[in-house]
Formats: sequence, structure tokens, C-alpha cells
Amino acid sequence: DVKVTQSSRYLVKRTGEKVFLECVQDMDHENMFWYRQDPGLGLRLIYFSYDVKMKEKGDIPEGYSVSREKKERFSLILESASTNQTSMYLCASSHHYGRGSYNEQFFGPGTRLTVL
Amino acid sequence: TQLLEQSPQFLSIQEGENLTVYCNSSSVFSSLQWYRQEPGEGPVLLVTVVTGGEVKKLKRLTFQFGDARKDSSLHITAAQTGDTGLYLCAGEHNFNKFYFGSGTKLNVKP
Repeated sequence: DVKVTQSSRYLVKRTGEKVFLECVQDMDHENMFWYRQDPGLGLRLIYFSYDVKMKEKGDIPEGYSVSREKKERFSLILESASTNQTSMYLCASSHHYGRGSYNEQFFGPGTRLTVL
Repeated sequence: TQLLEQSPQFLSIQEGENLTVYCNSSSVFSSLQWYRQEPGEGPVLLVTVVTGGEVKKLKRLTFQFGDARKDSSLHITAAQTGDTGLYLCAGEHNFNKFYFGSGTKLNVKP
């Protein structure tokens, strides 16, 4: 079975703290993604990575950074957490097939982050 | 502006009724995925449609991809309380880039 795991299901942090969210996949996928999900706004892409040490900004990268040192692990970092970063954070992974094929994303269970 | 528009946003029906959820765009997608998400959990992939006009069935769920690969629909026959959840469509555009609809929240009452 396909497996994407996230380090915490629930996290409570204080404003200004540095926060690390970890994601691990066991499917040997090339691509990994971080989204946040807020009511009425759907899933918004923060960052994605298509290879080790490679990263690309998504639609809302401000206030976030990422790290991909190993193929199976993708970390999201909030350098200085703020209350408007309270959200559900979802990690996903997929293969990197090119033209003539298609890709499917598989999601982790999510981390509900509250910043006080 | 959402690349993918889902409708309706909310749906509350009685067990046994049929329903259809729509996912529309002006863009062409190389594939389209449907997910179901339960509260506090991550989305779970239900199906991927790839070919224009394709129809896929998963028990009581029928998924269709439009001929032009710009839209899709999900039809549930004889809904059950276990079908309750948030249904999301996601289109793959420019290979490896995914765009999500805002979701349809379905509540099936016993």
C-alpha cells in the first residue's frame, strides 16, 4: 500500500517559534508537495520538489521554506510562525512521469497546526 | 480565481438518493483525479481519468471525463451515510502541476 506519513497530526506553537513539519513517503516518488487547506479556500500549493535538493515555489510560499535532503523526506519550515499560518498542512507525493503518461498524487493524513 | 470550479459547494441528501457533482474548467488537463476527504484526514484518491470521454465505475460511484478533457462529473447512486465527506477534484496541467477545486461537502442523512 502507498504510504505518506506526516510527523504530527496536531501541533500547537506560539507566535515567533520556528516550526518543522516532516513528511516521509515510501513509494520512491520523485515529486513531493506541501499544501495548506483552509475553509473556503481549498488546497493551496506552498512548495513542491521534483528531486533531491530541488524546490519550486507554489502559489503561497511567503513565510515558508522547505528542505529535501533525501528522496523520501520533504520538510516544511515556518521560520517565525504567525497566527495566520494556523491551518491544516497536507503533504503529497507523486511519480514524475512526462509526456504520454499521467501522475497521481497521494496524500498524508495532514497536520493541524495552531499558532497562538 | 480557481482554475477548477466545483459545484455544488454543499449537498445534503437523504440516504438512497442519487447525486452528481461537477468539476469544470476552461483549461485542458492531461488527467483528472477525484478524492474523498473525511474531517481531520488527508484526501484519499478515488479514481484517475485520463482519456476524453472516459467513464470509470467504482461500485456506486461513476466518474466521467469530458470529451475535451476540461470537465468531469462524479455521480453517486443510492447514496449511503458512509459517502459523507468532502469530494475534491484535481486536474493535472503541464505535467506534475495539480490544480484543485474548492470541494463539494456532501452530507448523507440516514
